Amino acid sequence: GEDVEQSLFLSVREGDSSVINCTYTDSSSTYLYWYKQEPGAGLQLLTYIFSNMDMKQDQRLTVLLNKKDKHLSLRIADTQTGDSAIYFCAETTTGGSYIPTFGRGTSLIVHP
Amino acid sequence: NAGVTQTPKFRVLKTGQSMTLLCAQDMNHEYMYWYRQDPGMGLRLIHYSVGEGTTAKGEVPDGYNVSRLKKQNFLLGLESAAPSQTSVYFCASSLRRGSNQPQHFGDGTRLSIL
Repeated sequence: GEDVEQSLFLSVREGDSSVINCTYTDSSSTYLYWYKQEPGAGLQLLTYIFSNMDMKQDQRLTVLLNKKDKHLSLRIADTQTGDSAIYFCAETTTGGSYIPTFGRGTSLIVHP
Repeated sequence: NAGVTQTPKFRVLKTGQSMTLLCAQDMNHEYMYWYRQDPGMGLRLIHYSVGEGTTAKGEVPDGYNVSRLKKQNFLLGLESAAPSQTSVYFCASSLRRGSNQPQHFGDGTRLSIL
């Protein structure tokens, strides 16, 4: 079955880089997503990567995908206090209903 | 462009009461979803719909019913509320079937059952 796992908490200092990790089990994953949830709000799509890519960069965000190890990471450069939020990893797979599977979310706490 | 709108934003119920949560989207999306979010549990899918007039069970459907009479609306009902249903409920939608269809989320309904 499908399973997406993330560590629950990450604490970093303002200005440092943050790396949030995610592992998944379904080898037929096609798209992998990162969503951000700020306090009191819903999830917002941050970025996504197609499974035939190794890396995707978008301003301060870098997504790395290791298909062999089924490992996805989100790196936030120059982390700011406004980056404090819960980050969710999600995957969709070929075939089936295309309903995404979400991880439990990583709470990123940025200290000034 | 409102996106996904959830009504109400907050509600307190007594055990045994019933209520309906409304989700409306203005993006002409085919797929709609209801999730609940509990501390440490992430998002759990309650029910979803792949089009007007269709519904399907998700991971935790017991105690909930849904209806999708109009494409833009997806209703979540609690017939007899229980304290275990205290949670934050999120509605989401996506354009259509396919693997690159990110979800758009509402801001949530915070529901407390006393």
